[in-house]
Amino acid sequence: AQSVTQLGSHVSVSEGALVLLRCNYSSSVPPYLFWYVQYPNQGLQLLLKYTSAATLVKGINGFEAEFKKSETSFHLTKPSAHMSDAAEYFCAVSDNKNFGNEKLTFGTGTRLTIIP
Amino acid sequence: EAGVTQFPSHSVIEKGQTVTLRCDPISGHDNLYWYRRVMGKEIKFLLHFVKESKQDESGMPNNRFLAERTGGTYSTLKVQPAELEDSGVYFCASSQEGLATFTDTQYFGPGTRLTVL
Repeated sequence: AQSVTQLGSHVSVSEGALVLLRCNYSSSVPPYLFWYVQYPNQGLQLLLKYTSAATLVKGINGFEAEFKKSETSFHLTKPSAHMSDAAEYFCAVSDNKNFGNEKLTFGTGTRLTIIP
Repeated sequence: EAGVTQFPSHSVIEKGQTVTLRCDPISGHDNLYWYRRVMGKEIKFLLHFVKESKQDESGMPNNRFLAERTGGTYSTLKVQPAELEDSGVYFCASSQEGLATFTDTQYFGPGTRLTVL
């Protein structure tokens, strides 16, 4: 069975500082990995996804994540936080048996607060 | 292009009542998923439709939940009778059919917040 662990349910960073949100996964098959973001009163929006191509994945809004198989990690980073980054972030995993059309297994989410 | 829409955005019902949630996927998307987030916990998969067929319903909690997808278009999720533990946010997502070298994205709706009193 697949699982995702997100360390830190709440993370606060100062505006302009590095954002690092941690995600570790467990999967018995080569996984697909995703980061979604949920802004207040909105649905989940895909930030980026890893699908076995390049291990460093660039997403929207300046975010990127690196797939590290040896560490079973897929941490999300952004060099400089902006006030508009305040949201809840979800890491998710799926297996690749059906070209991505499989259920997602999510972590518990990390709420990011940006300090002015 | 319109995104995934869900109705209602909020629903407050009493224990024992029936509630029906609706999801309209992105036009042309064959895959439709339902997920649920109970307060403070992870978003959990409920079921997956491919067109009008249930591909995977392993996440449905019990037989009080009934999902349908009429003609492969919109989907409904009925809870009957509702219990207190059914409270949470119900998300719907849709995606196109994947190809051999292409991985599609699940696009999520804004969710329906269900409160059972």
